Amino acid sequence: QVQLQQSGAELTKPGSSVKISCKASGYTFTSYDISWIKQRPGQALEWIGAINPGSGGTGYNEKFKGKATLTVDKSSSTAFMQLSSLTPEDTAVYYCARSFGAPGWFAYWGQGTLVTVSS
Amino acid sequence: DIQMTQSPASLSASLGETVTIECLASEDIYSNLAWYQQKPGKSPQLLIYYANSLNDGVPSRFSGSGSGTQYSLKINSLQSEDVSIYFCQQNYDSPYTFGAGTKLELK
Repeated sequence: QVQLQQSGAELTKPGSSVKISCKASGYTFTSYDISWIKQRPGQALEWIGAINPGSGGTGYNEKFKGKATLTVDKSSSTAFMQLSSLTPEDTAVYYCARSFGAPGWFAYWGQGTLVTVSS
Repeated sequence: DIQMTQSPASLSASLGETVTIECLASEDIYSNLAWYQQKPGKSPQLLIYYANSLNDGVPSRFSGSGSGTQYSLKINSLQSEDVSIYFCQQNYDSPYTFGAGTKLELK
C-alpha cells in the first residue's frame, strides 16, 4: 500500500534552515508528483509546491518561492523540503502528499512534521 | 489566487442528523473541487474529488455537489466518527488553495 513516512519534529532557531524528508513506498516513486502543504493552527492549509520525482521539475506557490526548496533522491524514493531563513511564522506542521489521477487530488498524506521556530 | 470561502466555520449537530457544509470559490473552478476530513492530530483524508466523486473506502453517507463557484458537502445520518474538521480545496489553478475549514461537533 502507498505510504509516505516523514522525518521527525524539528526545533530550530530564527534565521536557520531545516530540511525535512518524506520517504515513499508502495508505488513507483517517479510516477507521481509529491506536494508539500503547510498547516498552522487555526489557519487554512497552504500548498507550498510540488516536485516531479522523475524529472526533478518543480512548481512553487509564489508565496513560498525563496522560502522552500524541493528536491528528491530517486535512489531512496525520498522527497525533501528545505525551509530557509526561518521565522516564528514558519512554525507549523508540514505534510507531504501524493496525488492520484489529476494533480492536486491529495489521496495520500504523510503523517506530518512539526517544525518549531523559537529562540 | 483563487479564494475558497467555507461556511459555517463551526457546526453542532445530533447523531443521525443530516449536515451540509458550503464552499464558495472566488471564480469558476469547473468542478475541480475536493473535500477532506481531518481528525485531531491526524493527516487530512480525501473524501470527495471532482466535486461529487467518492474516494475509495469513504462511506456512502458522504456526498458532494455543486458547480461553477458554489459547492457543498452533505453528510447523511451523522455518526460519532464524523466529528472532524472538513476542508474544501480547488485544483483548477495553481496555487491550489484550501478553505479555512468547518469544525463539526456533536450536539
